[in-house]
Amino acid sequence: QVQLVQSGAEMKKPGASVRISCKASGYDLSTYYMHWVRQAPGQGLEWIGIINPGGGGTHSAQKFQGRVTMTTDTSTSTGYMDLSSLTSEDTAVYYCARDSYWPISSNDFYYNYMDVWGTGTTVSVSS
Amino acid sequence: DIQMTQSPSSLSASVGDRVTITCQASQDINNYLNWYQQSPGEAPKVVIYDASNLATGVPSRFSGGGSGTDFTFTISSLRPEDVGTYYCQQYDNVPLTFGGGTKVEIK
Repeated sequence: QVQLVQSGAEMKKPGASVRISCKASGYDLSTYYMHWVRQAPGQGLEWIGIINPGGGGTHSAQKFQGRVTMTTDTSTSTGYMDLSSLTSEDTAVYYCARDSYWPISSNDFYYNYMDVWGTGTTVSVSS
Repeated sequence: DIQMTQSPSSLSASVGDRVTITCQASQDINNYLNWYQQSPGEAPKVVIYDASNLATGVPSRFSGGGSGTDFTFTISSLRPEDVGTYYCQQYDNVPLTFGGGTKVEIK
């Protein structure tokens, strides 16, 4: 069974950083791109970025550049997203999601639909 | 960035009703459009991909259409389990962007 299980809820103070993990099972993490998407309370979905677990390349939305780091550890089939300089506007549920595009390219990103979503991680930022 | 405009933002319909949601892109997205369903308290789930293709395991009462900048999502006969929020999403250009969502409720 293909699934993505994320780490538990986090409470952070403004200015801090957070690391969220996303453990994949039922498939080879290195053969599919992984997205990160967030959803603020009562709001819609916002794309943060994508990582190529095979080559390690990443691409993120401009508003997160400089603040987000996406990595993967293929030995443990786990993806990670680090977000720094947190503010209250970063309070949201964060999801990892697999892109259905296959096979992935070592150098470029190709997009399709997000076919498997993680369990979600709630991040609350408050002083 | 490509803006995705969904309408309506919410709707209430009776079981068995036909429901249609529209999604307009701010530029031609070459049919690179997906629709997701998010049931309350759950992660999103793909329903339609590439504008009109039904995702695996999704009931045939769901359908999608359109091209270029204007797209539609239809539930032919609304069921109670269809309650939730539906989002369109383009993948023609990065950043990937989602519509604002349409909340579907049962009257």
